[in-house]
Amino acid sequence: GDSVTQMEGPVTLSEEAFLTINCTYTATGYPSLFWYVQYPGEGLQLLLKATKADDKGSNKGFEATYRKETTSFHLEKGSVQVSDSAVYFCALISGNTPLVFGKGTRLSVIA
Amino acid sequence: ETGVTQTPRHLVMGMTNKKSLKCEQHLGHNAMYWYKQSAKKPLELMFVYSLEERVENNSVPSRFSPECPNSSHLFLHLHTLQPEDSALYLCASSQDWTSGAKNIQYFGAGTRLSVL
Repeated sequence: GDSVTQMEGPVTLSEEAFLTINCTYTATGYPSLFWYVQYPGEGLQLLLKATKADDKGSNKGFEATYRKETTSFHLEKGSVQVSDSAVYFCALISGNTPLVFGKGTRLSVIA
Repeated sequence: ETGVTQTPRHLVMGMTNKKSLKCEQHLGHNAMYWYKQSAKKPLELMFVYSLEERVENNSVPSRFSPECPNSSHLFLHLHTLQPEDSALYLCASSQDWTSGAKNIQYFGAGTRLSVL
């Protein structure tokens, strides 16, 4: 079945550091790919998405590019802030199945 | 504000109690979902409703009973729960329950449930 694998956390970075959270997927067909973020005490929010190969999703300084050849959708940000501390979930949807989530990666940014 | 409201935000209950979680969406969506989020475990999809009909039930114990009276409201009725059921219960909605971008899910803030 479809699945998403993302790097284990927690990830701890200093403010203004570069962030990469790796995400790879297995899916039949051509999935749409998503990153969701969960801030402390809140539900999940859509951060960005890409619906076809080579698409780049971006929002709030975060970017991710849909790489079909490597089945990846890595999340990047050039300069993280303390307010980016949260749990990040990679997800996909393919065909007639509900959204499939990765296990989540906790990011802590220290001043 | 995501357009999905969950009540209560926090709930403490004994193992013999009966309680209900409520979810309401103001987005005009046709699909609604219940998820369970436990510490150190992946998000677990519990139930999916599309146009008030259940379309997915992932082997959830019968002590959890969902109800979808209309496309805007979703309930999760709880009875005789166990301590291991303590978790954050998240509700979500989407325009449609499949088909790519129409499945972008909008989440409520969750109900933090503690079973004593």
